[in-house]
Amino acid sequence: DAKTTQPPSMDCAEGRAANLPCNHSTISGNEYVYWYRQIHSQGPQYIIHGLKNNETNEMASLIITEDRKSSTLILPHATLRDTAVYYCIVRAGGVSNFGNEKLTFGTGTRLTIIP
Amino acid sequence: GAGVSQSPSNKVTEKGKDVELRCDPISGHTALYWYRQRLGQGLEFLIYFQGNSAPDKSGLPSDRFSAERTGESVSTLTIQRTQQEDSAVYLCASSLGFTSGIQYFGAGTRLSVL
Repeated sequence: DAKTTQPPSMDCAEGRAANLPCNHSTISGNEYVYWYRQIHSQGPQYIIHGLKNNETNEMASLIITEDRKSSTLILPHATLRDTAVYYCIVRAGGVSNFGNEKLTFGTGTRLTIIP
Repeated sequence: GAGVSQSPSNKVTEKGKDVELRCDPISGHTALYWYRQRLGQGLEFLIYFQGNSAPDKSGLPSDRFSAERTGESVSTLTIQRTQQEDSAVYLCASSLGFTSGIQYFGAGTRLSVL
């Protein structure tokens, strides 16, 4: 089970902020939230991750609610090249527990940037 | 530096034949993962290596699937007696270690079984 819920698809106008939601109501205290994206015919690409604080890097911002049951990935100024499937994944961090090393991908959100 | 490299990029084979898929991880990455992605679907985990050992083989769908890793570098995924349902993109990823959730993916091998 993916342990996350995302809308199947979203559209966003080019140049606007794209806000992609993710629900992870059963997240455990030691689990991080990771975001990856997969552009057509390519392998997934890491975007950002966080535990409980909001995070920002050169690609995106990650906002995690105080109860950690949901998060939002923000692409501040979407371009056509941001059209992709975006995956929200929860994964345990720290010392490995057997079986927790892999990433469990759900079906993601297909984001289409409209010119 | 170079990213994760997979070969071949495309492979067409006949049902019943064996195939080998290769993955060259990023230099220095001790953890290596194989995933499968069927058309229009998400990624399915197959197997994970830490160094040359495979602590988690839980995703291998049948005993026709096997993988090895040598020299803490190159990995080979072998599918014996291929079936049409094996048709998919096989993706390899590597990371600095098993505690890191940041995995770097190759472009994949598209396998078509006729």
